[in-house]
Amino acid sequence: DSGVTQTPKHLITATGQRVTLRCSPRSGDLSVYWYQQSLDQGLQFLIQYYNGEERAKGNILERFSAQQFPDLHSELNLSSLELGDSALYFCASSVGGSSRVGDTQYFGPGTRLTVL
Amino acid sequence: AQTVTQSQPEMSVQEAETVTLSCTYDTSESDYYLFWYKQPPSRQMILVIRQEAYKQQNATENRFSVNFQKAAKSFSLKISDSQLGDAAMYFCAYRTSYNTDKLIFGTGTRLQVFP
Repeated sequence: DSGVTQTPKHLITATGQRVTLRCSPRSGDLSVYWYQQSLDQGLQFLIQYYNGEERAKGNILERFSAQQFPDLHSELNLSSLELGDSALYFCASSVGGSSRVGDTQYFGPGTRLTVL
Repeated sequence: AQTVTQSQPEMSVQEAETVTLSCTYDTSESDYYLFWYKQPPSRQMILVIRQEAYKQQNATENRFSVNFQKAAKSFSLKISDSQLGDAAMYFCAYRTSYNTDKLIFGTGTRLQVFP
């Protein structure tokens, strides 16, 4: 158990819908990362938040957005869903900041999203 | 942009034997981190081992060790005394030490372990 929790574990929805994925980082971690794992794109970085602020953006679609709340949990919002958005979405956390100690990311169990 | 390449889509090993998974990367940076993650059938991403580029000594975690060749930009994972539980997808990942903490992953190597 990495200490990172994600809910829900599975999500089945229809095209055009909107869903929210939730992540709680390990205790003491300030950085949260979102990754997408799909068959055709592999593991791709989406976005990072550090202590409530967006820190880095990767290949995240405009239909997707995220935020990190004062209690440090994070939510990834996916809207106008398409078949191609079906994937495993991982949240990871680390201590963050510029410290070398905070360089290791620990992953949650993932949320499997199926868009029908 | 940095890239990570895993040229072996699949590997197999017999129980108790040793296997080496390959990973190469491309970067112009001198300071960075490298990781191996394991993804068993449960799909959980589990950290196996990490290496800091400024350290010349190869990292070791129990039966897992790496061969880090900075000049060659190579970072292979050696699994000794393979066990059935080692069967999984293994991903090599690169993390810069500048500005962003994002991980760049390779495409993975599926390891099968035979009894």
